[in-house]
Amino acid sequence: NAGVTQTPKFQVLKTGQSMTLQCAQDMNHNSMYWYRQDPGMGLRLIYYSASEGTTDKGEVPNGYNVSRLNKREFSLRLESAAPSQTSVYFCASRGTGASGYTFGSGTRLTVV
Amino acid sequence: QKEVEQDPGPLSVPEGAIVSLNCTYSNSAFQYFMWYRQYSRKGPELLMYTYSSGNKEDGRFTAQVDKSSKYISLFIRDSQPSDSATYLCAMSRVRGGATNKLIFGTGTLLAVQP
Repeated sequence: NAGVTQTPKFQVLKTGQSMTLQCAQDMNHNSMYWYRQDPGMGLRLIYYSASEGTTDKGEVPNGYNVSRLNKREFSLRLESAAPSQTSVYFCASRGTGASGYTFGSGTRLTVV
Repeated sequence: QKEVEQDPGPLSVPEGAIVSLNCTYSNSAFQYFMWYRQYSRKGPELLMYTYSSGNKEDGRFTAQVDKSSKYISLFIRDSQPSDSATYLCAMSRVRGGATNKLIFGTGTLLAVQP
């Protein structure tokens, strides 16, 4: 099925460990986004990529890095995980001229 | 003050009820308004999209925008247990463009009781 695919779906990390969340879309969309969703906080933008080769900070970028590997893939890296990064992470993409985003199914990350 | 405010609920209604979900916003430049539905442990999915003021209907769902009051609503008629989800409003100034990011409300949790 066409859409946005995120891996892994679940992950438990120890404080200080690193990991990369993967996202791929097969809709030929130019723009891709990483959000985190926390209770009472809604969706907060971490980083986004307007096109292949470009990335920009969003609302809550501290502690994260991203890579737009190609048009399809946009990864999010936690270099040294902290308990405050326990959250559900969503990747989204948007096509040129489109108003809405297409979201992946999310990665549930727990940092202990 | 947040740009978009949304009552988090939870909102519990009996099956068949009319549901009204609302958001207020502060930025008068917003012109494109969306409603997303998010089932438990799933990603949000686009439900309704409207431009500027007015109403848009799709089956049992009606989206309403009142730009003069900076207020948007989603109405669900004949609500069903399958409508139980979190509903998020979202809005933007212009259509498309990666740097024109959507601003989301925090979401309202709806439970439709059979």
